[in-house]
Amino acid sequence: DAGVIQSPRHEVTEMGQEVTLRCKPISGHNSLFWYRQTMMRGLELLIYFNNNVPIDDSGMPEDRFSAKMPNASFSTLKIQPSEPRDSAVYFCASRSYSNQPQHFGDGTRLSIL
Amino acid sequence: AQSVTQPDIHITVSEGASLELRCNYSYGATPYLFWYVQSPGQGLQLLLKYFSGDTLVQGIKGFEAEFKRSQSSFNLRKPSVHWSDAAEYFCAVGAQGGSEKLVFGKGTKLTVNP
Repeated sequence: DAGVIQSPRHEVTEMGQEVTLRCKPISGHNSLFWYRQTMMRGLELLIYFNNNVPIDDSGMPEDRFSAKMPNASFSTLKIQPSEPRDSAVYFCASRSYSNQPQHFGDGTRLSIL
Repeated sequence: AQSVTQPDIHITVSEGASLELRCNYSYGATPYLFWYVQSPGQGLQLLLKYFSGDTLVQGIKGFEAEFKRSQSSFNLRKPSVHWSDAAEYFCAVGAQGGSEKLVFGKGTKLTVNP
């Protein structure tokens, strides 16, 4: 079975540019999670969706961040405008239902210059 | 709200030695508990999980963990470490019947000496 697929794997861009990260969850999973991982703060939950509906976005750092899930097989995390402090590894995870573990993608390593 | 503490940032063991990684959680009710492993440049892979029942749970790659409610702990163990076990290990707690969020510890980096 295909796992969670994230693209791109690496992104390097200049500050002020728009960045879009993509995620394809495991087929049949109805919950999707976006995380950010940094050395200083560890793994932080940014937002999660149930059945394509955003449930909790309290972890989104500020208005420059937005996430969408237009259908059950695709989600995006957008940063506009990007800043150097956004540099991190961003993970997407999906889960079938509430008492099942989350399955993680390989992440997108984002560097903002 | 739940929280997780992994008191050891970095542990070094020799290949073939036993391993125990500590995890303490804070949550007022029965938690869901997980251990994940992350190799460099990779995502997190589930090692094992505890939901209910037997407090000693077996996972992949020869790992096991024991849930001790009285100590609010969920320590990960392996009797004999292999060089390929070198990675970072994360403990996570979720709330049964509540928020669907997982809260992760800061991780323990494991180095294995030959």
